Amino acid sequence: DSGVTQTPKHLITATGQRVTLRCSPRSGDLSVYWYQQSLDQGLQFLIQYYNGEERAKGNILERFSAQQFPDLHSELNLSSLELGDSALYFCASSVVGGGRGEQFFGPGTRLTVL
Amino acid sequence: SQQGEEDPQALSIQEGENATMNCSYKTSINNLQWYRQNSGRGLVHLILIRSNEREKHSGRLRVTLDTSKKSSSLLITASRAADTASYFCATDPGSNYKLTFGKGTLLTVNP
Repeated sequence: DSGVTQTPKHLITATGQRVTLRCSPRSGDLSVYWYQQSLDQGLQFLIQYYNGEERAKGNILERFSAQQFPDLHSELNLSSLELGDSALYFCASSVVGGGRGEQFFGPGTRLTVL
Repeated sequence: SQQGEEDPQALSIQEGENATMNCSYKTSINNLQWYRQNSGRGLVHLILIRSNEREKHSGRLRVTLDTSKKSSSLLITASRAADTASYFCATDPGSNYKLTFGKGTLLTVNP
């Protein structure tokens, strides 16, 4: 158990809908990262927050947005969902920002868009 | 685009044998990390090697880094069926706060 929690575990929805994925980092970790993992694209970095502020952006679509709250939990919002958004979404946390140290991954949310 | 590229894409060995996976990357790095992922689960950090280090050990794991060749290798000695997983290298270029993952090597250890 990494100490990072993600909810929900599974999500099945329809095209055009909007969903929110939630992540609670390990106690004491200030950085939160979101990744998307699919068979064809592999593990793609989406966005990073550090202590409530956006720190780095990766291949995140404009239909996706995220935020980190004062209690350090984070939410990833996916809107106008398309079939291609079906993937595993991981949240990770670390004490320091960027790639300076190891990241602790949550169990993931499996999103299926029908 | 992926910074790290693992090789081979898949590796199948017998229990007790050693497994070697390689990672090549394109730009200079601050550190390189290896992660393991069991099917459909979250990634687990294995080892981090800094750009000024050449070799690092952790239990049955041995990682080497050759910055002149922009490559790293992960050796798992005396493999076990429980080592069956995908292994990813991830690079930190040190300048843009991003850790970039390769597509992974799928290791199967047959009992």
